[in-house]
Amino acid sequence: EVQLVESGGGLVQPGGSLRLSCAASGFTFSSYEMNWVRQAPGKGLEWVSSISSSVSTIYYADSVKGRFTISRDNAKNSLYLQMSSLRAEDAAIYFCARESSSNSYFDFWGQGTLVTVSS
Amino acid sequence: QLVLTQPPSASASLGASVKLTCTLSRGHSSYAIAWHQQQPERGPRFLMKLYSDGSHSKGDGIPDRFSGSSSGAERYLTISSLQSEDEADYYCQTWATAIQVFGGGTKLTVL
Repeated sequence: EVQLVESGGGLVQPGGSLRLSCAASGFTFSSYEMNWVRQAPGKGLEWVSSISSSVSTIYYADSVKGRFTISRDNAKNSLYLQMSSLRAEDAAIYFCARESSSNSYFDFWGQGTLVTVSS
Repeated sequence: QLVLTQPPSASASLGASVKLTCTLSRGHSSYAIAWHQQQPERGPRFLMKLYSDGSHSKGDGIPDRFSGSSSGAERYLTISSLQSEDEADYYCQTWATAIQVFGGGTKLTVL
């Protein structure tokens, strides 16, 4: 059974940093592109970033470019999102999602981890 | 610019059918999309991939009550024999090089 479990969320002050993790199991993690998607309170889904299986290709939404860094450790079956210079508008539930094949749709999602940005 | 447009809300009665719509922006009518369901306080769940010709492939365990169809730039999700657990937010998704795009979501109320 495919499982994606996010962790690392919490309360952080504006301008601060936070690192999210996503532990994957039930599939060959190193074969899939992975993504981060966020959802602000009461709002819709917003794609944040993607990383290819081999780490050779990385993309970011304009809203986080230069502030967030996606990475992965295929030996640990884990996906990460390093967030810095956090703003109030970055407050959201952050989901990791598996991409079914290269440049395609998401076929499995985690349950999310909540990031709150407040002083 | 690649954009997906969804009506913010829809409603239908228990046991009835409902057809949700996702519209692709001009120039993108050939794009495939995916439909996702998000029940309250839960992560999204993949329902199906839907092609421009109306063919679709569903995720594991998705009931036959869920089906998809297409017409031009419109992509549809039809849910028949509505059940209370179908009350959820429904999002469409599409993709291109370097970008993933979501529609704004439709909140489905089961009356």
